[in-house]
Amino acid sequence: ELKVEQNPLFLSMQEGKNYTIYCNYSTTSDRLYWYRQDPGKSLESLFVLLSNGAVKQEGRLMASLDTKARLSTLHITAAVHDLSATYFCAVLSLPSGGGGSNYKLTFGKGTLLTVNP
Amino acid sequence: DSGVTQTPKHLITATGQRVTLRCSPRSGDLSVYWYQQSLDQGLQFLIQYYNGEERAKGNILERFSAQQFPDLHSELNLSSLELGDSALYFCASSPRDRIFHEQYFGPGTRLTVT
Repeated sequence: ELKVEQNPLFLSMQEGKNYTIYCNYSTTSDRLYWYRQDPGKSLESLFVLLSNGAVKQEGRLMASLDTKARLSTLHITAAVHDLSATYFCAVLSLPSGGGGSNYKLTFGKGTLLTVNP
Repeated sequence: DSGVTQTPKHLITATGQRVTLRCSPRSGDLSVYWYQQSLDQGLQFLIQYYNGEERAKGNILERFSAQQFPDLHSELNLSSLELGDSALYFCASSPRDRIFHEQYFGPGTRLTVT
C-alpha cells in the first residue's frame, strides 16, 4: 500500500525566510501533486510533477521531484504572510485491478505553514 | 473556482440518520472522486466513478455508497451516521487526459453529526 509522508507537519516561519517541505512516498509512482488548502476551503492545485528531475516554479514556491529517491520538495523563498496555509503533497497510483481510467490520490498529512510578520 | 460544484455546503444531522451529498463535475469530465477529510484520518480517498461505472474503491465504509448518474453528477450516500463520520467531504473530477491526470476539487460539504 502506498504511503506518503510529509515533514514537517507544522512550520512557523518569519517573513523573508526560506524553508523546504519534504514529501516521501513508498512505491513507484507516475505523478506527484502539490495542493494548497486555506482553512475551511477546498484544495487548490499548485504543481503537477510528471517525471524525474522535474522542477516547477510559481512565484515564491518551487517544487521538484526525484523519482529515484521517491522524494519531492516544496521550497519557499522569502516567505510572505499570504503563503500561510496547509500544503499537501499527493501521489497518484493505479489501484489494484488496473484499467485505463481508475486512478486515486494518496495524500500526505499536510504541512501547516504559518508565516509571521 | 475549479468548476466542480457540491451541495449542500453544510449539513448537520443526528446519529443514525442518512444523508446524501451531491457533486457536479466540471463540464466534460467523466471521472468523479470522493474524498473524506477529518482531523484524525487526514484526506482519504473513498471511491471513484468513471462515466457511470465504479472504478476504484478506497477506505469507504459499508454504510457509505455512491453512484454516478447519466448526466455525470454523483451522489454520496451516508447512512447509520456516527459521530466519527463528521468530516469535510470533497468531490473531485478529472478529464480524460493521459498525461496530467489532474483532479479538480469542489468546495466540499461539511458534515456534522450530533
